[in-house]
Amino acid sequence: AQSVTQLGSHVSVSEGALVLLRCNYSSSVPPYLFWYVQYPNQGLQLLLKYTTGATLVKGINGFEAEFKKSETSFHLTKPSAHMSDAAEYFCAVSDLSRTGNQFYFGTGTSLTVIP
Amino acid sequence: DAGVIQSPRHEVTEMGQEVTLRCKPISGHDYLFWYRQTMMRGLELLIYFNNNVPIDDSGMPEDRFSAKMPNASFSTLKIQPSEPRDSAVYFCASSSDRAGYTFGSGTRLTVV
Repeated sequence: AQSVTQLGSHVSVSEGALVLLRCNYSSSVPPYLFWYVQYPNQGLQLLLKYTTGATLVKGINGFEAEFKKSETSFHLTKPSAHMSDAAEYFCAVSDLSRTGNQFYFGTGTSLTVIP
Repeated sequence: DAGVIQSPRHEVTEMGQEVTLRCKPISGHDYLFWYRQTMMRGLELLIYFNNNVPIDDSGMPEDRFSAKMPNASFSTLKIQPSEPRDSAVYFCASSSDRAGYTFGSGTRLTVV
């Protein structure tokens, strides 16, 4: 079965500091991995995804994530936080081992950026 | 593409009333998902469809909830009768493969 664990439900960083949001997954098949961002009162927006190929993937707004199979991790990073990065971030893994196309979402990490 | 379109954006209703949430997926997407988001439970998958057929409805909380997809461009989620504990944001999402969902903006439901 697939599952996602996001370590830290709340993360605070200073403006300009490194952002690191952690995600570990379990999957019985080669995973497709995703990060979504949710701004207040909005839907979830795809930030970046790993399907195959290069393990370091770049997304929108300067975010990137690295797929590390040996660590079953897909941590999200950004070198320098901006006030506009304050949002809820969800990691997800895709599963096609069953009939269907179900995604499994983590519980989310709320990012606060301190001026 | 206009994306996944949900209506209404906000719904306030009295306990016991019927509520219908609507979703128009992205054209060409053959999967459609209904999620519910609350502070306490986070994102919960309620039901999903493939080619208009319900595949997994194990997340539907109880018989008061029902979902339909009469055609590839329209789906509804109905709650009858509604209860205050149904208050949440309901999201619809669609996809064509494993390469990612596209979410709608959600319907914020308040049952008083």
